[in-house]
Amino acid sequence: QEQLQQWGAGLLKPSETLSLTCGVDGGSLSLYYWSWIRQSPGKGLEWIGEISHSGITNYNPSLKSRVTISSDTSKHEFSLKLSSVTVADTAMYYCARGWGLTGYFDYWGQGTQVTVSS
Amino acid sequence: EIVLTQSPGTLSLSPGERATLSCRASQSFSSSYLAWYQQKPGQAPRLLIFGASSRATGIPDRFSGRRSGTDFTLTISRLEAEDFAVYYCQQYATSPGTFGQGTKVEIK
Repeated sequence: QEQLQQWGAGLLKPSETLSLTCGVDGGSLSLYYWSWIRQSPGKGLEWIGEISHSGITNYNPSLKSRVTISSDTSKHEFSLKLSSVTVADTAMYYCARGWGLTGYFDYWGQGTQVTVSS
Repeated sequence: EIVLTQSPGTLSLSPGERATLSCRASQSFSSSYLAWYQQKPGQAPRLLIFGASSRATGIPDRFSGRRSGTDFTLTISRLEAEDFAVYYCQQYATSPGTFGQGTKVEIK
C-alpha cells in the first residue's frame, strides 16, 4: 500500500515561488510516474505535470513556463516549483502516483491548500 | 486538449437506487483511456475505474463503467450511504490529461 505525504508552504504572496514536496512511503520512485494535480473551485481538477522514475518530465502546456518538477530518488521524494504565482494559483495541490506517461492516478497525497494573497 | 463534459451536474437519489453518470469527450480517442474517481469532502480523489471499465483494487462490484464511442458511463447499481460524493472522469489518452467538472450524487 503506497502512502504519499506532502508538505510545503501554504500561504504565498503574488510573484513568489510555490514549493511543495511529496514523500513516497511505500518505497522507491521506480516504475511509475509521479504527478502534481491541483483543484480549485473555478477550474476544477487540473493536471500540472509529472516526472518519471528515470527523471523525464512532462508538463501541462498551460503552466509549462512556470513549472519545474524534480525528484530525489535517494529520499523517495519528488517536488513541485511553480514560479511567479498569482491569485489564480490559489488551489488545493495534490501529489499522485500515475500509471504510465499521462496515466491515471491510483494513490494520492493528502493535499496542501495553497493560498496566494497580498 | 480533450474536454470532458459530465452530466448531470447533480443527481439526487435515495439509497438503494441506481445511479448513472455520464462523461462525454470533445473528440474521439482510440484507446479506452478513461478513469473515474470519487471524492468526498476534505479528501483526495479515489480511483474507482480505469481503462473505462476495469475496477481498481478494492472497489465493490456495484461500480461499473462502460464506453460507447465518445460517451462514457459510470453506473452505481445500488447506492449505499458511503457512495454519496462527487464523481470525476479523467481522460489519459492524450497529454495533457484532463478531468471533467464533476457530478455530485446527493441524498434525495
